[in-house]
Amino acid sequence: DQQVKQNSPSLSVQEGRISILNCDYTNSMFDYFLWYKKYPAEGPTFLISISSIKDKNEDGRFTVFLNKSAKHLSLHIVPSQPGDSAVYFCAASWSLDSNYQLIWGAGTKLIIKP
Amino acid sequence: SAVISQKPSRDICQRGTSLTIQCQVDSQVTMMFWYRQQPGQSLTLIATANQGSEATYESGFVIDKFPISRPNLTFSTLTVSNMSPEDSSIYLCSVVPVRGGGYTFGSGTRLTVV
Repeated sequence: DQQVKQNSPSLSVQEGRISILNCDYTNSMFDYFLWYKKYPAEGPTFLISISSIKDKNEDGRFTVFLNKSAKHLSLHIVPSQPGDSAVYFCAASWSLDSNYQLIWGAGTKLIIKP
Repeated sequence: SAVISQKPSRDICQRGTSLTIQCQVDSQVTMMFWYRQQPGQSLTLIATANQGSEATYESGFVIDKFPISRPNLTFSTLTVSNMSPEDSSIYLCSVVPVRGGGYTFGSGTRLTVV
């Protein structure tokens, strides 16, 4: 049972335009969400996070939106740059889990076209 | 955030042999996590390693196949034992997150079993 779903395996966006990556979750206990970026032959790197008490968090070109009623979050990248081409994972956790486990989505490969 | 050095970065191994992957962290951390990312799939948690106690394995993973050592607060190893081609994957270590900062990952070990 996939608790965190990224339904788009890949996404192609023109350089300079907005990239929108989507993630859905099923477990209402999740209260903390993260986005990671992964280049080939490298480990994932943390990008941005959001707590369930917020509906938006912004960091430079990256903004994460959380819609708790829909159990949906999205990552917006504006403007998209060639270096943004990577696989993006969303992950979720719950604060009562003292093991700090993350539940991961399957990833979306973002391709930025010049 | 912590910096993790993971070795080897890649290896090609014969079936039936074993490979030990090392992770060295530049600071003391309580918990370390070992993940597997199979081709085209998301990250799957293998086990959580606490210093001074036995690792906690996730469903589908057993100690005989993936023995883990955690001799101190800065170092851990994962051994992939009696390898088969199905063990071909990327193996990643990561350290317990700082809230708001997300996990830090090693650069990964790309294992190919032939």
